Amino acid sequence: AQRVTQPEKLLSVFKGAPVELKCNYSYSGSPELFWYVQYSRQRLQLLLRHISRESIKGFTADLNKGETSFHLKKPFAQEEDSAMYYCALSGAPGNTGKLIFGQGTTLQVKP
Amino acid sequence: NAGVTQTPKFRVLKTGQSMTLLCAQDMNHEYMYWYRQDPGMGLRLIHYSVGEGTTAKGEVPDGYNVSRLKKQNFLLGLESAAPSQTSVYFCASSSRVQNTGELFFGEGSRLTVL
Repeated sequence: AQRVTQPEKLLSVFKGAPVELKCNYSYSGSPELFWYVQYSRQRLQLLLRHISRESIKGFTADLNKGETSFHLKKPFAQEEDSAMYYCALSGAPGNTGKLIFGQGTTLQVKP
Repeated sequence: NAGVTQTPKFRVLKTGQSMTLLCAQDMNHEYMYWYRQDPGMGLRLIHYSVGEGTTAKGEVPDGYNVSRLKKQNFLLGLESAAPSQTSVYFCASSSRVQNTGELFFGEGSRLTVL
């Protein structure tokens, strides 16, 4: 079964500390993985996708097929990074918009 | 540039009542989706549509119906609301042509069923 697991409901760090939001997936094929973010009073929006291998707002995520993980990392957290983060898996080749989301992790960056 | 617009944003229903959530997008996207967001469960796909006149079931379709009569609109209906349908509902759209996996979301509709 296709599944995305985010084991942490809440991750609380101090400003300047490194951040790692964990994401594990289950998928029998070549996965397409994404991180979406929802800032307070804003819409859910795409943060980054594994296929583009880019860094957005200092965040990076590497697909590890051996460990079936797609953890989101940032070396130095900022207060404006506080938000809800969702890891998502594309469950339908040809319609990559049909996503399976994890449970979400709230990142709280304290001053 | 409105993007994806959902109406209403808030609604309180009694058990057994019916209602329709409207989603409209102005990006000429082929694909549209309805998700529900519940604490600890993330977003779960209810129904989706790959084009005008077509709909398909997602992960949690029971108790909901949808229609896509026009490309820009995707309606989600609850025929007989139940307390278990208390949730925040998100509509999203994406482009078939670009097919990047990027969903564009509405602001959400908070539904409470008493």
